[in-house]
Amino acid sequence: DAGVIQSPRHEVTEMGQEVTLRCKPISGHNSLFWYRQTMMRGLELLIYFNNNVPIDDSGMPEDRFSAKMPNASFSTLKIQPSEPRDSAVYFCASSLAPHNEQFFGPGTRLTVL
Amino acid sequence: AQSVAQPEDQVKVAEGNPLTVKCTYSVSGNPYLFWYVQYPNRGLQFLLKYITGDNLVKGSYGFEAEFNKSQTSFHLKKPSALVSDSALYFCAVRPLRDSASKIIFGSGTRLSIRP
Repeated sequence: DAGVIQSPRHEVTEMGQEVTLRCKPISGHNSLFWYRQTMMRGLELLIYFNNNVPIDDSGMPEDRFSAKMPNASFSTLKIQPSEPRDSAVYFCASSLAPHNEQFFGPGTRLTVL
Repeated sequence: AQSVAQPEDQVKVAEGNPLTVKCTYSVSGNPYLFWYVQYPNRGLQFLLKYITGDNLVKGSYGFEAEFNKSQTSFHLKKPSALVSDSALYFCAVRPLRDSASKIIFGSGTRLSIRP
């Protein structure tokens, strides 16, 4: 198995632009998680899905952030409009079920200028 | 409310010496407990977990962790540290029976092993 796949690996954009991050979970995993990691705030859970349904989005910082999971093999995290404070590494992770160990992707390093 | 604490931002150990990375937790009921490791510019990697059973859990790369219910701790240990163990380590907790609850990660402990 290729593991969790994220794209792009690096994204540099200007303030105000729309950013879309993509994730392909491990085949057969039913739970998908989006995290943000910064030096200041550490690792933050933004949202997680179980069987393609959003279960907890309380970590989504504001309405500029949205996430979708249209099918079991694909999810997106969108930021519109982006701001410099959104600069971080965004990780996607998947697991067999919400309580199982998670497998993390390599992350997308986002820089908003 | 559930929480997890890693009281040390950094732990420094000489190669060959035993290492301990501390973790304490607060959760309603029995917990799922996890340790993850993060190498530079990589995602987190699962090391080991405790659900039920034997309090001593063995994981990847020679690591183990001991669940202590009375002290609500789940410290990560290794008998003999390697330079390659230098990384960022995260403890995580989730209530065992609350299917709606999310996993909570600690703030991380940076482990540095000197040659």
